[in-house]
Amino acid sequence: GAGVSQSPRYKVTKRGQDVALRCDPISGHVSLYWYRQALGQGPEFLTYFNYEAQQDKSGLPNDRFSAERPEGSISTLTIQRTEQRDSAMYRCASSLRQGGLATNEKLFFGSGTQLSVL
Amino acid sequence: GNSVTQMEGPVTLSEEAFLTINCTYTATGYPSLFWYVQYPGEGLQLLLKATKADDKGSNKGFEATYRKETTSFHLEKGSVQVSDSAVYFCALRGGSQGNLIFGKGTKLSVKP
Repeated sequence: GAGVSQSPRYKVTKRGQDVALRCDPISGHVSLYWYRQALGQGPEFLTYFNYEAQQDKSGLPNDRFSAERPEGSISTLTIQRTEQRDSAMYRCASSLRQGGLATNEKLFFGSGTQLSVL
Repeated sequence: GNSVTQMEGPVTLSEEAFLTINCTYTATGYPSLFWYVQYPGEGLQLLLKATKADDKGSNKGFEATYRKETTSFHLEKGSVQVSDSAVYFCALRGGSQGNLIFGKGTKLSVKP
């Protein structure tokens, strides 16, 4: 596609429910990143993939968070048993070349999914 | 670990004023440094970057010079416009890391 697409744009859920956030990167981009951004803060790294392989998940806050990218394109970030503290903007980004090999590589960000847990 | 510290906002300027947003970093090795900008209602987009010491990144009238001796990458623009109103994020990527590490962001508001 023309840009990184994320869906849904907004998600309101009740505490304890599971949510799945989708990211469709730019076609042909090798690397895909997930970030979380609280209001008034910078993006906080969660995890990233090169192709279908998850390279680094050190930023995932706990085991309720997981991500997959089974075919090396679309990725899903899943949050199980959501809590109010999970409320934030979840941003996806992609890059043409492999993360970890090209430190000057540009990331293209989507518009994000605003998650609100009531 | 690697980290980025940038000046807190908000910063409010009049049109045509000079802008400086300070950014300093802590990193091992020789990171690449970036400024990303987030316009209202949009996603982050790369503004400029520098990959080694003394490099100057520039775009849209903005400049930042990679200063290893002071571990800084301050963003400057000589004459800001209303359309520059946005949130600016300093970021780094170091060594073999795949991920960017961001500062907290500085909100700039430019008044006519």
